[in-house]
Amino acid sequence: EPEVTQTPSHQVTQMGQEVILRCVPISNHLYFYWYRQILGQKVEFLVSFYNNEISEKSEIFDDQFSVERPDGSNFTLKIRSTKLEDSAMYFCASTPPMSGTKNIQYFGAGTRLSVL
Amino acid sequence: QQQVKQSPQSLIVQKGGISIINCAYENTAFDYFPWYQQFPGKGPALLIAIRPDVSEKKEGRFTISFNKSAKQFSLHIMDSQPGDSATYFCAASNLSGGATNKLIFGTGTLLAVQP
Repeated sequence: EPEVTQTPSHQVTQMGQEVILRCVPISNHLYFYWYRQILGQKVEFLVSFYNNEISEKSEIFDDQFSVERPDGSNFTLKIRSTKLEDSAMYFCASTPPMSGTKNIQYFGAGTRLSVL
Repeated sequence: QQQVKQSPQSLIVQKGGISIINCAYENTAFDYFPWYQQFPGKGPALLIAIRPDVSEKKEGRFTISFNKSAKQFSLHIMDSQPGDSATYFCAASNLSGGATNKLIFGTGTLLAVQP
């Protein structure tokens, strides 16, 4: 069964450093999302991406965050200058193009980001 | 108004018992209510979902009950099994309101089914 793939599974970085989290969505999917889950808390929406542009972003997604689909298969989340409070599990999700199943979001296993 | 409130935070059920998890929302624009199951080290996976035009949806041992007037919905797991032990998240989305279909998640319920 096709799945959303995220790398790395765990990223450790120093505060102030830039990190790039990578995702390979399911191949025919058109809508892409990033969510994050701080340890012990709920999953929170960060950003959605469609047709090579951001369609919606949350308050969390400030100027330190950016997303990109550089080559038609990868979908990346960049954090320019990491803060301690960016430590969380980051999930990538994608949805297929068909209208009846557009609402089913398939999640990757996540990248655990630890900012020291 | 974007919040989805979920309870209980944790639940212990004996094998064969019924697990019930409840959620409540405020935003009447929500029109899609999925439940996600998450095992340790894995991402959330869609378990079952309901639209507000029906009051109940059943898939195998999993049933969603939906009360539109009370703005509440719940997940019932019948004949709970140890393999059902996981974290369950309710969520809500506004499918008809725009293209993003972002999910608003509840806080999660850690279910432990004892053998």
